[in-house]
Amino acid sequence: AQSVTQLDSQVPVFEEAPVELRCNYSSSVSVYLFWYVQYPNQGLQLLLKYLSGSTLVESINGFEAEFNKSQTSFHLRKPSVHISDTAEYFCAVSEIGSNYKLTFGKGTLLTVNP
Amino acid sequence: KAGVTQTPRYLIKTRGQQVTLSCSPISGHRSVSWYQQTPGQGLQFLFEYFSETQRNKGNFPGRFSGRQFSNSRSEMNVSTLELGDSALYLCASSLDDGELFFGEGSRLTVL
Repeated sequence: AQSVTQLDSQVPVFEEAPVELRCNYSSSVSVYLFWYVQYPNQGLQLLLKYLSGSTLVESINGFEAEFNKSQTSFHLRKPSVHISDTAEYFCAVSEIGSNYKLTFGKGTLLTVNP
Repeated sequence: KAGVTQTPRYLIKTRGQQVTLSCSPISGHRSVSWYQQTPGQGLQFLFEYFSETQRNKGNFPGRFSGRQFSNSRSEMNVSTLELGDSALYLCASSLDDGELFFGEGSRLTVL
């Protein structure tokens, strides 16, 4: 069984500041790792994923995450946030071979203030 | 390309009733999974279907059931509703390659 811990339930930041949302996972098997974003009254949108290869993955809107196997972490970072990045962010893992069954963290509410 | 479509978007039921939620996956996606989202428990896996077969089920009581049709559309049913079933129910479809595409959800309120 897997588990995901998002260490911060809320992260307030000012516009154009850098941000890091932390995610640690626990699993006895190899996993895939994901970050999803949820805007109010909407479903989840995939932000980025780590399946294999380079441990640094990037999204089209400036976010990046690095898979650290030794620390079992997959922290999400952005060097300069915008007001429009205000949303809830979920870290998730799936066991390789069970791609459809995600285990989610409790989420981190990122609030970007002007 | 149309995304994942869930209907209805909002519904209100009373305790003891049953409810059926529908999910139309992205064209070509044969895997459909369902998740329950609540403020207390967060996002929890309900079940997943692939080619009309349930491949896995989460830790939910038997009141929660689902099915998938030959066109990959899926329905989930909750019988004998309880107050604690109030939640956002999310459907996701996939090509079974590790990437899930989520719909906007069906928000169920049980009174």
